[in-house]
Amino acid sequence: AAGVIQSPRHLIKEKRETATLKCYPIPRHDTVYWYQQGPGQDPQFLISFYEKMQSDKGSIPDRFSAQQFSDYHSELNMSSLELGDSALYFCASSRDSLYEQYFGPGTRLTVT
Amino acid sequence: SQQGEEDPQALSIQEGENATMNCSYKTSINNLQWYRQNSGRGLVHLILIRSNEREKHSGRLRVTLDTSKKSSSLLITASRAADTASYFCATPTSGGSYIPTFGRGTSLIVHP
Repeated sequence: AAGVIQSPRHLIKEKRETATLKCYPIPRHDTVYWYQQGPGQDPQFLISFYEKMQSDKGSIPDRFSAQQFSDYHSELNMSSLELGDSALYFCASSRDSLYEQYFGPGTRLTVT
Repeated sequence: SQQGEEDPQALSIQEGENATMNCSYKTSINNLQWYRQNSGRGLVHLILIRSNEREKHSGRLRVTLDTSKKSSSLLITASRAADTASYFCATPTSGGSYIPTFGRGTSLIVHP
């Protein structure tokens, strides 16, 4: 069965650079969620989209933005990267925002 | 905070034994989810239990929910070395949503 796809899987950036992470949900899933998991930390919800509209907002920094496109894929844009942004970034998708979430493998971002 | 707190934080058992992990939360919820995460890998949804359910089974997994005590347990029977992972419980970010807020997780090690 198709799963959530995230790209890239690994990304190395320098401080103050920008990064774009992409998420492709499971087919027919219309809701996408983004999470950040720092080293040894539990995942923290950042933001979610339902039918291309932002539906919930968590602890997403102002330096980050995200959107969901017409094909339901989503992109997380991160600017002015800081060392503390180094983390695993997970995307998850669900159907109708009412069902269980399925997580992608994550993108490991390292900021040097 | 809706955040679930897992207990114990670490659990080490022998293959074939049962593993029980507990989760407590603070406010009323309409569902609770359990996830598994292998080291540095993505989150895998295990099971969702709704507030009107007391027990749910999935393969070797058994989840209970006691809304009066605001607690849940995850039992893995006949554990295998491949069950070694971190297990998180997650409760909704806000009242009726399905967006999970994760606890710190229980690290399970199953020795062959």
